[in-house]
Amino acid sequence: QVQLQESGPGLLKPSETLSLTCSVSGDSVSGYYWTWIRQPARQGLEWLGRIYGFGAINYNPSFKSRVTMSVDTSKNQFSLKLTSVTAADTALYYCARGSRHSNGYDYIDLWGQGTPVTVSP
Amino acid sequence: DTVMTQTPLSLPVTPGEPASISCRSSQSLLDRNGYNYLDWYLQKPGQSPQLLIYLGSNRASGVPDRFSGSGSGSYFTLKISRVEAEDVGVYYCMQGLQTPRTFGGGTKVEIK
Repeated sequence: QVQLQESGPGLLKPSETLSLTCSVSGDSVSGYYWTWIRQPARQGLEWLGRIYGFGAINYNPSFKSRVTMSVDTSKNQFSLKLTSVTAADTALYYCARGSRHSNGYDYIDLWGQGTPVTVSP
Repeated sequence: DTVMTQTPLSLPVTPGEPASISCRSSQSLLDRNGYNYLDWYLQKPGQSPQLLIYLGSNRASGVPDRFSGSGSGSYFTLKISRVEAEDVGVYYCMQGLQTPRTFGGGTKVEIK
């Protein structure tokens, strides 16, 4: 059974860099798209970007200057970095897997449990 | 970015009765190969979202057949043929035709 587990510091100060890791168990990171999505408290879902196991990346332009994603195949995990955080970045951060349909579409079919991040002075 | 609009915001339902949620996109999600890039998710209380429907009408693995997705272009519907108590939560539609992927604001389904 494939599982995703997010990890990282739960509390940051404004202007710091958020670093999160998603560890994948039960399957290889290669051959899938891996996505980061966040959810501010009592709000909806926001797509941050995705990275393919072999390196292709798409970022949400709203975050493009601040976000970096990477994959570490040796550790079977992928990561998110978000620089210059503010209170607006306070949210529950999810990592998720995209599985590929025969038409090439990668649909998000598995989510981690989410890790809360708070940005406060 | 493609804007996704869901209605209603809240949906009180009676167990055993049908329920329906609508999702509208600001741009057509139909590609030239005939696929609609629209997915549905359910976020149960205290849980992560789970995939229900992908590409408009394909049920994800393990999803009960009381859930069905329909629609094309910019108008989509998620139907539950007979609501069960375990179906409560917030339902989201998401477009996958373009990046960034964008979600609807959610529809909260609760038992009357």
